Amino acid sequence: GAVVSQHPSRVICKSGTSVKIECRSLDFQATTMFWYRQFPKQSLMLMATSNEGSKATYEQGVEKDKFLINHASLTLSTLTVTSAHPEDSSFYICSARVEGTMNTEAFFGQGTRLTVV
Amino acid sequence: AQSVTQPDIHITVSEGASLELRCNYSYGATPYLFWYVQSPGQGLQLLLKYFSGDTLVQGIKGFEAEFKRSQSSFNLRKPSVHWSDAAEYFCAVGADKVIFGPGTSLSVIP
Repeated sequence: GAVVSQHPSRVICKSGTSVKIECRSLDFQATTMFWYRQFPKQSLMLMATSNEGSKATYEQGVEKDKFLINHASLTLSTLTVTSAHPEDSSFYICSARVEGTMNTEAFFGQGTRLTVV
Repeated sequence: AQSVTQPDIHITVSEGASLELRCNYSYGATPYLFWYVQSPGQGLQLLLKYFSGDTLVQGIKGFEAEFKRSQSSFNLRKPSVHWSDAAEYFCAVGADKVIFGPGTSLSVIP
């Protein structure tokens, strides 16, 4: 199956700093990628839809100025958590589906665990 | 709007016993349905998926699920649970934008 890679897998940052998370589709192109957040012992919540070459679409309640999404190429989307605070500590996961295919699932990255101290 | 419910927050079964995890969904069109498993601190692993065709779907690790359109359900089953099956299980619906249920935590008693 197709592979989606996230980097880093874990990151610890100081409160007030910014952190960038990368999501790459390794063997396919994706004009659309999706970013999810998962708090401890909770489900995955869709944060935003990342669109190559255009602005991301954010779900209700997600601050677009805090969670900056850039989808500059067909294989890379980045999520930047700006001015991070401890409450932003979470597990962030991206996904993408192979373009132009039917009956295939979205492929998920392995996630990035962010800890803000 | 798409939504997924998993009525059971936590289930405990004995090793070797059968398992059924419930999932109900709301979706405007023919749903793409999935079951994922997540071990603590890990990413998601796809157990099985339904797009169309045979409503009984076989997955990995001995799991199966049955799509019942009339009940808007996609319950996950396993005939004999192993201790290593203890994990969090998520039912999900969608094609590109995947919506996840709240999850069911499975504990297995040796």
